[in-house]
Amino acid sequence: DQQVKQNSPSLSVQEGRISILNCDYTNSMFDYFLWYKKYPAEGPTFLISISSIKDKNEDGRFTVFLNKSAKHLSLHIVPSQPGDSAVYFCATYGGSQGNLIFGKGTKLSVKP
Amino acid sequence: DTAVSQTPKYLVTQMGNDKSIKCEQNLGHDTMYWYKQDSKKFLKIMFSYNNKELIINETVPNRFSPKSPDKAHLNLHINSLELGDSAVYFCASSPNRGNEQYFGPGTRLTVT
Repeated sequence: DQQVKQNSPSLSVQEGRISILNCDYTNSMFDYFLWYKKYPAEGPTFLISISSIKDKNEDGRFTVFLNKSAKHLSLHIVPSQPGDSAVYFCATYGGSQGNLIFGKGTKLSVKP
Repeated sequence: DTAVSQTPKYLVTQMGNDKSIKCEQNLGHDTMYWYKQDSKKFLKIMFSYNNKELIINETVPNRFSPKSPDKAHLNLHINSLELGDSAVYFCASSPNRGNEQYFGPGTRLTVT
């Protein structure tokens, strides 16, 4: 069973507009969430995170919103740029290993 | 300088062979991980290694074995390769369990 779900495999946005990527999780005990960005033939790179004690975290053009009651988080990118085109993974920490549990990813395409 | 490096980047081999993938991190981190990204694009933990403590994901076949000669290296050995082992393998490291993880560029393994 997927504990972290990204139900949109792809998203296409015009340059300058807002990109909204969504993520749902199943376990209310999860308390820290991360977004990773991945370009082809590269490893994932950390983008932004949020703790469950907050409902919003902002870093430049990137903002993550957390709705604990809905077990839902979203990543907003505004304004979107062509260089943002990548696969975005939502993740959280789970299990005894301290490992990340990833969603399946959403491929974002930002068109000039 | 590359923080987390993996070699080789591509590996093509035949069924039944034994192969190794090397991982090195120069971040001074205490914990290293191996993840597998399968054909469905899920990134899943295989192992984590911290201060000589190895935690194995119980779903990983015992044909896979991590070896850590020192804190900066965690190599992955695979015996008797099978077609289903074809995937991209990512090494990662973090200061400790539960911290942000830094990923290597991945090794694409193809078993023919």
